[in-house]
Amino acid sequence: GDSVTQMEGPVTLSEEAFLTINCTYTATGYPSLFWYVQYPGEGLQLLLKATKADDKGSNKGFEATYRKETTSFHLEKGSVQVSDSAVYFCALAPQGAQKLVFGQGTRLTINP
Amino acid sequence: GAVVSQHPSWVICKSGTSVKIECRSLDFQATTMFWYRQFPKQSLMLMATSNEGSKATYEQGVEKDKFLINHASLTLSTLTVTSAHPEDSSFYICSAPGPGYNEQFFGPGTRLTVL
Repeated sequence: GDSVTQMEGPVTLSEEAFLTINCTYTATGYPSLFWYVQYPGEGLQLLLKATKADDKGSNKGFEATYRKETTSFHLEKGSVQVSDSAVYFCALAPQGAQKLVFGQGTRLTINP
Repeated sequence: GAVVSQHPSWVICKSGTSVKIECRSLDFQATTMFWYRQFPKQSLMLMATSNEGSKATYEQGVEKDKFLINHASLTLSTLTVTSAHPEDSSFYICSAPGPGYNEQFFGPGTRLTVL
């Protein structure tokens, strides 16, 4: 079945460091790919998405590119801030479906 | 953006009792809603798809008689955990597809603790 594998956490970085959170997936056809973020005490929020191969999703300085050849959707940010501290989830929606399959989540802590 | 609420945000109950959790889309209609379960430090696992006016679709391994889902209106889905036991303690999250393509809006979650 469809699945998402995410980089294990927790990840701790200093402010202004470069961030990469790896995400790979297994799915048939052409799924849509997402990164969701969960700030402390809040619900999941969509961070960015890509719906077809080679699409790049971007938001708030975060980027991820849909790589079908490597079945990956790695999340990157060039300079993280303390306010980026949260749990990040990679997810896919199978082709033609709305339900989501989530990775295990990566807790990110940014120290000043 | 679209807002999804859940009530209650946390609940503690005794073993053997039933607990109802509500999920509401506040500013949009949702013919479909999704219920997830999140264990501590683990991912969200889809439990079921709630369909307005029809029966819910349960994922493999989820007991439909234990986790009753009702989607009686276009803005409300309820999850009832029947005869709850300590192993049902978890964080339950609902989501609904909002206006637009392929974007889910999530509720803040309900933490259930069964004593």
